[in-house]
Amino acid sequence: DAKTTQPPSMDCAEGRAANLPCNHSTISGNEYVYWYRQIHSQGPQYIIHGLKNNETNEMASLIITEDRKSSTLILPHATLRDTAVYYCIVRVEKKLTFGTGTRLTIIP
Amino acid sequence: ETGVTQTPRHLVMGMTNKKSLKCEQHLGHNAMYWYKQSAKKPLELMFVYNFKEQTENNSVPSRFSPECPNSSHLFLHLHTLQPEDSALYLCASSQDRDIYYMNTEAFFGQGTRLTVV
Repeated sequence: DAKTTQPPSMDCAEGRAANLPCNHSTISGNEYVYWYRQIHSQGPQYIIHGLKNNETNEMASLIITEDRKSSTLILPHATLRDTAVYYCIVRVEKKLTFGTGTRLTIIP
Repeated sequence: ETGVTQTPRHLVMGMTNKKSLKCEQHLGHNAMYWYKQSAKKPLELMFVYNFKEQTENNSVPSRFSPECPNSSHLFLHLHTLQPEDSALYLCASSQDRDIYYMNTEAFFGQGTRLTVV
């Protein structure tokens, strides 16, 4: 039972920023938000995680709203290799529980 | 390359066969996991091992039998499987289970695509 809600699919033009939203309105105060992605037929790949502050690494940025009920993953300059299913995850009973994610397609 | 290696990458087996999936990591992690991903379904956590001890079995049928001889290796022994067991089986590792549960990332292998005929 995933605690997150994501749109099933999104398109983004190559070179533009891809903004992937996630709602997690029942998140608890000490629960982190994680993002993973899964490129077709491969294992999931960790992207980033955060608690309440915005986070940035070499792959992406994570913006968490002040009330922590939603977040946005930003891929600043999307490439064709970013086409994948993106999972927003909040731990359920301490476990990484994957939902159905957002299928992001980067359009040339 | 995540540092978690699974073999074989593809496996076709009959319902009466016995086969094993292998997972290996040399990341110095102490927790390892088996996940199952069926077509158009979310990943399902099957087993959790922490410091070689099984700490979770999420109601997995006994025809799946895990083995963790050391912190670097994890096996999934398969016998008398059904066609509905066809799926992508993924292995993952993390520093240890408790840290994984709190605040750390998991590293996944490329998976074994299993087809039961």
